[in-house]
Amino acid sequence: SYELTQPPSVSVSPGQTASITCSGEKLGNKYASWYQQKSGQSPVMVIYQDNKRPSGIPARFSASNSGNIATLTISGTQAVDEADYYCQAWDTSFVVFGGGTKLTVL
Amino acid sequence: EVELVESGGDLVQPGRALRLSCAASGFTFDDYAMHWVRQSPGKGLEWVAGIRWFGATMGYADSVKGRFTISRDDAKSSLFLQMDSLSPADTAIYYCAREMLARSAPASPFDYWGQGTLVTVSP
Repeated sequence: SYELTQPPSVSVSPGQTASITCSGEKLGNKYASWYQQKSGQSPVMVIYQDNKRPSGIPARFSASNSGNIATLTISGTQAVDEADYYCQAWDTSFVVFGGGTKLTVL
Repeated sequence: EVELVESGGDLVQPGRALRLSCAASGFTFDDYAMHWVRQSPGKGLEWVAGIRWFGATMGYADSVKGRFTISRDDAKSSLFLQMDSLSPADTAIYYCAREMLARSAPASPFDYWGQGTLVTVSP
């Protein structure tokens, strides 16, 4: 079965750039999406189709997907960005989530 | 405004069954594929099952195949998950989620999520 691998945790200082990776075999040939989940809340889509932002998502969120790696980048990270982040892709008719990355803003 | 409201979560004993519901509003329900995603305590998101906009089941996670059944009632704008032979490993918050693109082939992300309903399986 298809797997997506994320680092368990990433730390960043306020105002700096955070990068969260998601690796999977030939992931660049699929669309990657990213979800933010704050403590006690439901997930929220922050990126879809590799690099598109839904309305209402701040421009500091960007992403790329090529080869075997998708990357979520948060520029000028703020304290409110502290959350768990999950990548997601489709494997034929099945949905696959990465294991999640806890972003800590120190 | 799109809204998804799950219900039916409860404390149940191992081996018992439970049926979850998700009431949808604010959009044309029968135009969208829908999914169930769960999250065990302290763990990540796990896709459970999906159903196409025209009613065909998309598939099930290996962990629930043969025990869970996804269905929908378009007349009532509702999504369901029948869970049989429950085990403690099924303890989780269960979310229903909508695919973003109407009447699309598989590959659409999830743009709306419910607040989740908690299922606890314990003796």
